[in-house]
Amino acid sequence: QVQLQESGPGLVKPSGTLSLTCAVSGGSISSSDWWSWVRQPPGKGLEWIGEIYHGGSTNYNPSLKSRVTISVDKSKDQFSLKLTSVTAADTAVYYCAREWTAAASFDYWGQGTLVTVSS
Amino acid sequence: EIVLTQSPGTLSLSPGERATLSCRASQSVSSSYLAWYQQKPGQAPRLLIYGASSRATGIPDRFSGSGSGTDFTLTISRLEPEDFAVYYCQQYVSSRLYTFGQGTKLEIK
Repeated sequence: QVQLQESGPGLVKPSGTLSLTCAVSGGSISSSDWWSWVRQPPGKGLEWIGEIYHGGSTNYNPSLKSRVTISVDKSKDQFSLKLTSVTAADTAVYYCAREWTAAASFDYWGQGTLVTVSS
Repeated sequence: EIVLTQSPGTLSLSPGERATLSCRASQSVSSSYLAWYQQKPGQAPRLLIYGASSRATGIPDRFSGSGSGTDFTLTISRLEPEDFAVYYCQQYVSSRLYTFGQGTKLEIK
């Protein structure tokens, strides 16, 4: 059973960089094709941020593309998210998730981590 | 960009009743790429339905999905107490972009 666990600072200052890591266990990160980040502002809906292929290719939500970088470390079975120039609007619970490619959906999710942007 | 609009925003029903949730796309969506999720407070979303009508592993058969083109429906045949949650539809386009609907909150009447 695949398990995902997000980690990183829970508080980031405005104009700073949000950095999170997702550790994959119960299987190699190379055992699945694509891995994603999804976020959810408090009390609001879900927003897909972007994805990375285990080989390193990436795709991003056009609305965030200029500020987002997703990378992978196959040796550690983890992938990471960096979001630059953050504002209060980036305050959200950030989830990492495995994409079930054949079904174009997300079948395994991390528990989520709340990141607050505040001075 | 394809926009998914879910209705109603909130649905108030009693256990044992039938729930019908709608997801409408601004353009035609491949049925193969339409999914539904359930989210309870403080939890990550859980995949319920993929390919518009296929139940994910372990999902009870009271949950069913249907639809094509721009109109999709999630039906819960007989509501159980644990079914009261927020439900999201999600679609994928081949240019590698995922979008979600804004959600429908299913609450106990």
